[in-house]
Amino acid sequence: KQEVTQIPAALSVPEGENLVLNCSFTDSAIYNLQWFRQDPGKGLTSLLLIQSSQREQTSGRLNASLDKSSGRSTLYIAASQPGDSATYLCAVRKADSWGKFQFGAGTQVVVTP
Amino acid sequence: NAGVTQTPKFRVLKTGQSMTLLCAQDMNHEYMYWYRQDPGMGLRLIHYSVGEGTTAKGEVPDGYNVSRLKKQNFLLGLESAAPSQTSVYFCASSYKRGGGYTFGSGTRLTVV
Repeated sequence: KQEVTQIPAALSVPEGENLVLNCSFTDSAIYNLQWFRQDPGKGLTSLLLIQSSQREQTSGRLNASLDKSSGRSTLYIAASQPGDSATYLCAVRKADSWGKFQFGAGTQVVVTP
Repeated sequence: NAGVTQTPKFRVLKTGQSMTLLCAQDMNHEYMYWYRQDPGMGLRLIHYSVGEGTTAKGEVPDGYNVSRLKKQNFLLGLESAAPSQTSVYFCASSYKRGGGYTFGSGTRLTVV
C-alpha cells in the first residue's frame, strides 16, 4: 500500500521567507501527484498537478518538484504572505489505482506578519 | 461555474438515524469519490465511481452505501448512523482517470 508522509506536521515562518514543504511516498510507480491547500473549515483547493514524466510544475509563486526515483515531491512557495497560512496536502496517484489519490496528513503553515 | 456542490453543509444525527449526502458536479467528470477527513487520520476513501451506474469500495466502506444513477450525481448513504461516523465528508471528481481532483466544500456530520 502506498504511504504518503508530510514532514513537518506544522511550520511557522515570518512573512517574506520562502516556504519549503516536503512530501514523500513509498511506491515510486506513480501516475501523478497533486498539491492542495485547505483553509480551516473549508474544502481542498487544487494548487498544482504534476505528472510522473515531469520534474517540476510552476504556477505564480508556487513551484512543485518531483523526484519519482527517490519518492519525493517538494512544494516551494516564494516570498510567503500571511494569506498563505493554511494546511497543505499532497496526494499521490498510483498508475493502477483507478484514479484514486492517497493523501498525506498535511503540513499546517502559519506565516506571521 | 459551480464545480462540485455538496449538500447539506452541516447535519446532526441521532444514533441509528439514516441520511443521504448529495454530491453534484457540472463539469461532466467521469470519476467521483467520497472521502472522510478526521483529525490525525487524514483523508480516507470511502467509495468511488468510475462512471454512471458503477460504484466500488474504498479504504473505509463499512456502514456506508453509494449510488451513481446519473453521471453528475454521487450519493453517499448512512443507513444506521453511529458516533464513529462523526466526520467531515468530502466529495471529489476528476475528468478522467489521470485528471486532477476538484473537491466540494464538505459536509460536517455529527452523530450523537
